[in-house]
Amino acid sequence: NAGVTQTPKFQVLKTGQSMTLQCAQDMNHNSMYWYRQDPGMGLRLIYYSASEGTTDKGEVPNGYNVSRLNKREFSLRLESAAPSQTSVYFCASSESSGGIYGYTFGSGTRLTVV
Amino acid sequence: SQQGEEDPQALSIQEGENATMNCSYKTSINNLQWYRQNSGRGLVHLILIRSNEREKHSGRLRVTLDTSKKSSSLLITASRAADTASYFCATVTGGSWGKLQFGAGTQVVVTP
Repeated sequence: NAGVTQTPKFQVLKTGQSMTLQCAQDMNHNSMYWYRQDPGMGLRLIYYSASEGTTDKGEVPNGYNVSRLNKREFSLRLESAAPSQTSVYFCASSESSGGIYGYTFGSGTRLTVV
Repeated sequence: SQQGEEDPQALSIQEGENATMNCSYKTSINNLQWYRQNSGRGLVHLILIRSNEREKHSGRLRVTLDTSKKSSSLLITASRAADTASYFCATVTGGSWGKLQFGAGTQVVVTP
């Protein structure tokens, strides 16, 4: 099925470890996003990529880096994981930036940092 | 801080009843979107209403938007157990790049 694929689905890290969350979409969407979801706080934007070759910070970028590898793929890297980064991470894509289209979300990566 | 806030935080109804949830926001918007999230899953886009629209329908869903009150409502008619989920409103504000900002959601439980 067409959509947004995230890997891994679950991950446990020790404080200080690094990891990369992968995201790929096959809908030829231009824009891609990384959100984190914490209980009672809704989704908060970490980074986004309005189009291939561009990335920009969202609301909570500290502790994260991103790479828009090509039009399909947008990865999120935690260089030195902290317990505060325990969360569910969602990747999303949309046809274009500007928010005039709905977003398509992946199924999420549940990350625990101990 | 969150742009949109849903009310109520939780809603419990029986199958066949209607479910209404509200979303209030703080700043002017380009559009407002509603999403559904089933437990342990990603969000699914339900409906988008533009700032110049007042009402929109999609199947059993009805969304209204009152820009003067900075509020929106989502009505699910004749609810089913499969409607059990969290519902989020998300707003798109102005600027060269519209960022989608989510509220904390309304958790809806529909009992058979």
